[in-house]
Amino acid sequence: QSALTQPASVSGSPGQSITISCTGTSSDVGGYNYVSWYQQHPGKVPKLMIYEVTNRPSGVSSRFSGSKSGNTASLTISGLQAEDEADYYCSSYTSSSTLVFGTGTTVTVL
Amino acid sequence: QLQLQESGPGLVKSSETLSLTCTVSGGSISSSSYYWGWIRQPPGKGLEWIGSIYYTGSTYYSTSLKSRVTISVDTSKKQFSLKLTSVTAADTAVYYCARQRAYSSNLYIYPMDVWGQGTTVTVSS
Repeated sequence: QSALTQPASVSGSPGQSITISCTGTSSDVGGYNYVSWYQQHPGKVPKLMIYEVTNRPSGVSSRFSGSKSGNTASLTISGLQAEDEADYYCSSYTSSSTLVFGTGTTVTVL
Repeated sequence: QLQLQESGPGLVKSSETLSLTCTVSGGSISSSSYYWGWIRQPPGKGLEWIGSIYYTGSTYYSTSLKSRVTISVDTSKKQFSLKLTSVTAADTAVYYCARQRAYSSNLYIYPMDVWGQGTTVTVSS
């Protein structure tokens, strides 16, 4: 199972909105509404930000939102803040009853 | 507040077996709402799912690691464990254990909502 494809880096200025894409296939992202997103600050533990494509766990800012179209899922961060600077990973359930992560995206706040 | 703590050797020799244990505190390991998983992250690289287990012992494994991985659970000790055989330098990573929460009633590999702090395992030659 190949890793889902994410851009290596995305940047934006404070207050702007950015979108991170996560591209898979019809056997994973496109086939199920089971995409999650994780935030990981350097040297820290990953944190769940979005589950089942669009849902935010309790305590996660509403500035984070998820969507999906076809084989590509997206995470949008609106009102970008300095604290959002981190690595972000998507993940998806697959038709093989496994889980695959994305390649990861580094978000830089300019 | 649920907490997870990984434990095990930080150094493993090439071709030997890596063994880690995750201890659950502040909550039940036997809840029907959760699976328990292992994830790893090689230095400077991304996350890789290793496998998951239910408290009944039902398991799911990564296709690429399936031949070398065994995940088990001991509900009396509130622990679940990972064994990875025939390790090589490519298995050097931070290993995380995590709780996987069933947000819906459909069975799938659930998202990880609580993570351990991670433990670094280095494979030496």
